[in-house]
Amino acid sequence: DSGVTQTPKHLITATGQRVTLRCSPRSGDLSVYWYQQSLDQGLQFLIQYYNGEERAKGNILERFSAQQFPDLHSELNLSSLELGDSALYFCASSVVGTANTEAFFGQGTRLTVV
Amino acid sequence: AQSVTQLDSHVSVSEGTPVLLRCNYSSSYSPSLFWYVQHPNKGLQLLLKYTSAATLVKGINGFEAEFKKSETSFHLTKPSAHMSDAAEYFCVVSAPTGGGNKLTFGTGTQLKVEL
Repeated sequence: DSGVTQTPKHLITATGQRVTLRCSPRSGDLSVYWYQQSLDQGLQFLIQYYNGEERAKGNILERFSAQQFPDLHSELNLSSLELGDSALYFCASSVVGTANTEAFFGQGTRLTVV
Repeated sequence: AQSVTQLDSHVSVSEGTPVLLRCNYSSSYSPSLFWYVQHPNKGLQLLLKYTSAATLVKGINGFEAEFKKSETSFHLTKPSAHMSDAAEYFCVVSAPTGGGNKLTFGTGTQLKVEL
């Protein structure tokens, strides 16, 4: 158990809908990352937050947004969902979010868009 | 910019034989490198990390990796494979980007362990 908690574990929704994925980082970790894992794209970096502020952005679509709250949990919002958004979404956390600190991953949320 | 190339998408070994999973990296910075393992329907587990200390890094479950700057490689090895090692392995380079940090994953190597 990495100490990173993601909910829900599975989510099935229809095209055009909006969903929210939640992540609780390890105790003491200030930085949260979001990744998308799909068969055709592999593991893609979406976004990083540190202590409530956005720090780095990757290949995140405009339909997607995220935030980190004062209690350090994070949410990833996915809207106007398309079939191609079906993927495994991982959250990771690290102590300070610098290059030399390891990130610990949650179990992921499997999103299926039908 | 940074990138990672995992040279084999699939590796098959017999139980008890050595494991070698190959990784080459490219980074504009002095790299931090990691290996993660993903078992079926599970999250990503950190095996080991290199962050400019010793070039030979020992990890969990008997795995180790050697950082070779001249070859830009960070290959993962294990002397004797166990059935429980069957999983997908990811080589990762970590580097600053913007005001934060980004982990760039390789495409993964699926390790199969046969009796």
